[in-house]
Amino acid sequence: AQSVTQPDIHITVSEGASLELRCNYSYGATPYLFWYVQSPGQGLQLLLKYFSGDTLVQGIKGFEAEFKRSQSSFNLRKPSVHWSDAAEYFCAVGAAKLIFGAGTRLAVHP
Amino acid sequence: NAGVTQTPKFRVLKTGQSMTLLCAQDMNHEYMYWYRQDPGMGLRLIHYSVGEGTTAKGEVPDGYNVSRLKKQNFLLGLESAAPSQTSVYFCASSSTSGSSLVEQYFGPGTRLTVT
Repeated sequence: AQSVTQPDIHITVSEGASLELRCNYSYGATPYLFWYVQSPGQGLQLLLKYFSGDTLVQGIKGFEAEFKRSQSSFNLRKPSVHWSDAAEYFCAVGAAKLIFGAGTRLAVHP
Repeated sequence: NAGVTQTPKFRVLKTGQSMTLLCAQDMNHEYMYWYRQDPGMGLRLIHYSVGEGTTAKGEVPDGYNVSRLKKQNFLLGLESAAPSQTSVYFCASSSTSGSSLVEQYFGPGTRLTVT
């Protein structure tokens, strides 16, 4: 079955600390992979995407993600978190139809 | 460009009432989608459309109907609302570039409460 797992429901980090949000997927074919961010009361904004090629992809707001086929993972990273990064983050996999993970809510301590 | 817009932003219904949510996109995208978002469950696909006049069921289609009479619009209907349909509804659209899928663009959402 196709699925996306985000193991961490909530994560709290201090401002300036590094961040890694985990995403594992199960998908029959070579997947398209996405990370979206949702601020409270807002829609989803695309952070970055992986279709093919270089497995380390750069996104907006200083985020990056690495596709590891052997681990079926697409973890999101940021070297130094800002207070404005507090939001909910969703990993998604698919092609014409996307399957979303349940999300990870990030809190940032000053 | 407005991108993806949704109407209304908020709505309260009584059980058994009907309503239609409107999604419009001005990006000339072929694909359009309706999702619902519930706490702890991420986004779940209700119905989608790969082109004008075509629709297909997603993961959670029961209790909903859709129509895509114009390429830029995708309507989601609830014929007889139930409390279990209390949720935030998101519309999205996407297109393709050659053989590659382009990412989905999301609207701001509609918060629906059914009492």
